[in-house]
Amino acid sequence: AQSVTQLDSQVPVFEEAPVELRCNYSSSVSVYLFWYVQYPNQGLQLLLKYLSGSTLVKGINGFEAEFNKSQTSFHLRKPSVHISDTAEYFCAVSKSGGYQKVTFGTGTKLQVIP
Amino acid sequence: EPEVTQTPSHQVTQMGQEVILRCVPISNHLYFYWYRQILGQKVEFLVSFYNNEISEKSEIFDDQFSVERPDGSNFTLKIRSTKLEDSAMYFCASSARQGDTQYFGPGTRLTVL
Repeated sequence: AQSVTQLDSQVPVFEEAPVELRCNYSSSVSVYLFWYVQYPNQGLQLLLKYLSGSTLVKGINGFEAEFNKSQTSFHLRKPSVHISDTAEYFCAVSKSGGYQKVTFGTGTKLQVIP
Repeated sequence: EPEVTQTPSHQVTQMGQEVILRCVPISNHLYFYWYRQILGQKVEFLVSFYNNEISEKSEIFDDQFSVERPDGSNFTLKIRSTKLEDSAMYFCASSARQGDTQYFGPGTRLTVL
């Protein structure tokens, strides 16, 4: 089975500062990795995904993530955050090669301070 | 841009009552899923559905739950006799092919009193 750990439940950061949201995964098989964002009172929106190929993945809203197989990590980064980035971010994993379910982490609340 | 829709956005029910949560997946998608998120907790997989049958389900998805695709557009989750602990946000998702990205709906907040 796959699992995801997001150690930081909340991350406060000042506007225009860089941010990194950490994600580590555990799996005995190859995986796909995802970051989803949930704005207040809204559903889950896909930010980016890693399926294969280049380990640096770029997503929407200026976010990027790097897949590190040796560290079993998939940290999310943005060089300069905006107030509108305030949301909850979920790292998620699934088995590669035709998956069924996505397993989510517990989420990290990003609070951008003006 | 096509999107997954869910109705209602909020459902309040009494314990022991049956509820049906409705989802309209993206029109050319073939794989359908339900997840739930209890307040303050992580999103949990409930069930996946393909070709008119359940392809995988979690231990949460017991006999009280059922899913159906009654027509070419809707995908429903039924809870036969709701319990207090069923209170959660329920998300529907769909994907075009196995291995493809799952697109999530906005969720239905279910409150069981």
